[in-house]
Amino acid sequence: QVQLVESGGGVVQPGRSLRLSCAASGFTFGAYGMHWVRQAPGKGLEWVAVISNDGSNKYYVDSVKGRFTISRDNSKNTLYLQMNSLRTDDTAVYYCVKDPQSFSWYYFHYWGQGTLVTVSS
Amino acid sequence: QSALTQPRSVSGSPGQSVTISCTGSSSDVGAYDFVSWYRHHPGKGPTLMIYDVTQRPSGVPDRFSGSKSGNTASLTISGLQAEDEADYYCSTYAGSPGGVFGGGTKLTVL
Repeated sequence: QVQLVESGGGVVQPGRSLRLSCAASGFTFGAYGMHWVRQAPGKGLEWVAVISNDGSNKYYVDSVKGRFTISRDNSKNTLYLQMNSLRTDDTAVYYCVKDPQSFSWYYFHYWGQGTLVTVSS
Repeated sequence: QSALTQPRSVSGSPGQSVTISCTGSSSDVGAYDFVSWYRHHPGKGPTLMIYDVTQRPSGVPDRFSGSKSGNTASLTISGLQAEDEADYYCSTYAGSPGGVFGGGTKLTVL
């Protein structure tokens, strides 16, 4: 069965960096697009970024453009999110999400359990 | 893109039916048949319950059904069970990357 396991969350000061990882199993990782979606405390879900199956196409929500980078290593079945210049409003649980196709956002197929990122001084 | 509008909370007794609405605009919900619904138990990852307005992924009971009329989509849960108590989010493809989510609805099973 599909499994997505996030790691790398923690407490970090504003302006610092953090890299999240997502280990995927149970499906052909290199055939599907992948997303990061976040949920701030007490708030709803917010899409953050998407990467195509081969890594050649990437899109971001405006609030993270220029600060976050999504990437993937298909040989390791792993998705990444490099987060730089973190701000307090980046505090959230970050979910790794499998796309139903190679690069779409028609819906979000499978979700990981999430990893908490807290940006605080 | 503005978030889709959902009621903050709904409730129902075991065995009853509840419907959660999701209102957007002619640019998102009304423009595409790509509305999806997610159940989210606190502390866990969300689960896809409905996609493409009416389609159920394998493993989702037929107690869950989706529909759409104009700019409003709906999720109906019949035969409410205790395990259905959770937060529910709608989402839709809207052309631009990522789509848009609703603000979420807390379902309480009385």
